[in-house]
Amino acid sequence: DAKTTQPNSMESNEEEPVHLPCNHSTISGTDYIHWYRQLPSQGPEYVIHGLTSNVNNRMASLAIAEDRKSSTLILHRATLRDAAVYYCIPLQGGSEKLVFGKGTKLTVNP
Amino acid sequence: DARVTQTPRHKVTEMGQEVTMRCQPILGHNTVFWYRQTMMQGLELLAYFRNRAPLDDSGMPKDRFSAEMPDATLATLKIQPSEPRDSAVYFCASGLYPLSEQYFGPGTRLTVT
Repeated sequence: DAKTTQPNSMESNEEEPVHLPCNHSTISGTDYIHWYRQLPSQGPEYVIHGLTSNVNNRMASLAIAEDRKSSTLILHRATLRDAAVYYCIPLQGGSEKLVFGKGTKLTVNP
Repeated sequence: DARVTQTPRHKVTEMGQEVTMRCQPILGHNTVFWYRQTMMQGLELLAYFRNRAPLDDSGMPKDRFSAEMPDATLATLKIQPSEPRDSAVYFCASGLYPLSEQYFGPGTRLTVT
């Protein structure tokens, strides 16, 4: 499994953009980059995933570096409800076994 | 709004007792996962099923844990006998193969005294 490095914690202000970085320098060419988040006292929730090009959905955007050794999850306007632990998870194409690291705890200030 | 449901949400039991946790996957999903979360180990995959057949249970302690899918709408995780080190939150997740995302339930918080 590819190793990931994420900041332990980050802070943001409400309605401001948030950029959550993830380093995955040992990723292989067929690994997709998945992001999940876990709100307090809830199960993890899928956010977004991508392979090479940038991806957008209603929750967030995923920017993947050209060399694929890092990626950034972008929340365009943070809300209090976005306070959660965010996990970056490389997942080999065809694999279904999510391996969660420690993630980044995001605090959103009103 | 389709969701994964888990029962019970909380369970307190004494060491040595049998514990059964239940999960109802989202209707139509053919893959079901069991995870465990503790402060020390974080989130770990215990086992998963496709079309009710076990695909991988390498993360599960074999001597006391068992996971089954009696039918497509029910997955169970059983611990017998339970030990204090089994105290954790157990999450069930489901998805539709080929998967792009997993949908997690709210978890069962187990405390073994």
